[in-house]
Amino acid sequence: AQSVAQPEDQVNVAEGNPLTVKCTYSVSGNPYLFWYVQYPNRGLQFLLKYITGDNLVKGSYGFEAEFNKSQTSFHLKKPSALVSDSALYFCAVRGLRSSASKIIFGSGTRLSIRP
Amino acid sequence: GAVVSQHPSWVICKSGTSVKIECRSLDFQATTMFWYRQFPKQSLMLMATSNEGSKATYEQGVEKDKFLINHASLTLSTLTVTSAHPEDSSFYICSAPTRTEGDQPQHFGDGTRLSIL
Repeated sequence: AQSVAQPEDQVNVAEGNPLTVKCTYSVSGNPYLFWYVQYPNRGLQFLLKYITGDNLVKGSYGFEAEFNKSQTSFHLKKPSALVSDSALYFCAVRGLRSSASKIIFGSGTRLSIRP
Repeated sequence: GAVVSQHPSWVICKSGTSVKIECRSLDFQATTMFWYRQFPKQSLMLMATSNEGSKATYEQGVEKDKFLINHASLTLSTLTVTSAHPEDSSFYICSAPTRTEGDQPQHFGDGTRLSIL
């Protein structure tokens, strides 16, 4: 079975500071990992994915994530936070490469950026 | 980019009513779509995988007769909440990958907030 853990319900960061949103996963076989962002009363927007290749993945809006196989982690990062980054962030994992296979979401982390 | 459209955005109705939610892929064909349910301040729970031209695959604990899924075309999947009750009130979201082959991410609709009085 596959699972995702986001240990922090909320992360608070001052604008301009670096941010990290943590994610660990468990999956048999190769993991296919994703980060999504959700704004109030909206669906999810895709930020980035790790399928294979470089451990550091760059995505939308200046976000990046680092895949660490030994620690089974896929933390989301941004060098300089913006107030507009405030939203709900979900890490997700898929145990199969096919896009038609289901993905499992973490519990979500609310990111709050203060001016 | 790929767009998934969900309709309606909000539904408020009386207990016992059946409610249909539509999920459309606007610029691509989706042989597979996914339906999720999200409670306030919680994560997305996968309800079922909708397959064009065949029966949906439901997750454990999801009532098939309660949540009817129809995927009659390559661009449309519908979720019908039958005889809805207040406990069915939730935020329902659909998603679809642009292609079933390869490793594309899923694209999500903007969700439907269902309130049963």
